[in-house]
Amino acid sequence: AQTVTQSQPEMSVQEAETVTLSCTYDTSESDYYLFWYKQPPSRQMILVIRQEAYKQQNATENRFSVNFQKAAKSFSLKISDSQLGDAAMYFCAYNNPARQLTFGSGTQLTVLP
Amino acid sequence: DSGVTQTPKHLITATGQRVTLRCSPRSGDLSVYWYQQSLDQGLQFLIQYYNGEERAKGNILERFSAQQFPDLHSELNLSSLELGDSALYFCASSAGQGLDEQFFGPGTRLTVL
Repeated sequence: AQTVTQSQPEMSVQEAETVTLSCTYDTSESDYYLFWYKQPPSRQMILVIRQEAYKQQNATENRFSVNFQKAAKSFSLKISDSQLGDAAMYFCAYNNPARQLTFGSGTQLTVLP
Repeated sequence: DSGVTQTPKHLITATGQRVTLRCSPRSGDLSVYWYQQSLDQGLQFLIQYYNGEERAKGNILERFSAQQFPDLHSELNLSSLELGDSALYFCASSAGQGLDEQFFGPGTRLTVL
């Protein structure tokens, strides 16, 4: 079974600074997608960024970028120029060919003014 | 706003009762997914429907059932409710049945007393 591990339950960052959230996963599949979702206090799940496993280039979405290391099964999220609105729970998720999203346990990010 | 709607927002009921949660996917999306988010189990995939047919099943209890109707909206039925069923239930939708990203609704908060 696929597993997704987020080893940092909580992290904090100073406003305007950069923070990296870690995620590792375990799979024997070669074709899959990886995602980062954000869950603010409203509890809405918001897609932040996605990465296709077949792509070597790391995905970037404005201030959000990933470091995808396929061989190491690592998928970290970098948030640059952190803003107060970035404070949320961040979930790493793996989507396998069976179409099930498997989520990590989440990292609670606090942004300090 | 993801375009996925869920009703009701909140539901309070008693043990042993039955409830129905409703979800309308984004316009044009054919797949609907149901997830449960609880404090002790985290985010778990329950079930997926694609164009009216069940496509994948996760950790869904036998007391739970779902269906997708011809207009593509979906309902999740929870019966013989127990205290442990208290959770946030998300519906998500995607265009296809493959590895594309899933967009989440705002969730239904179920409280079983």
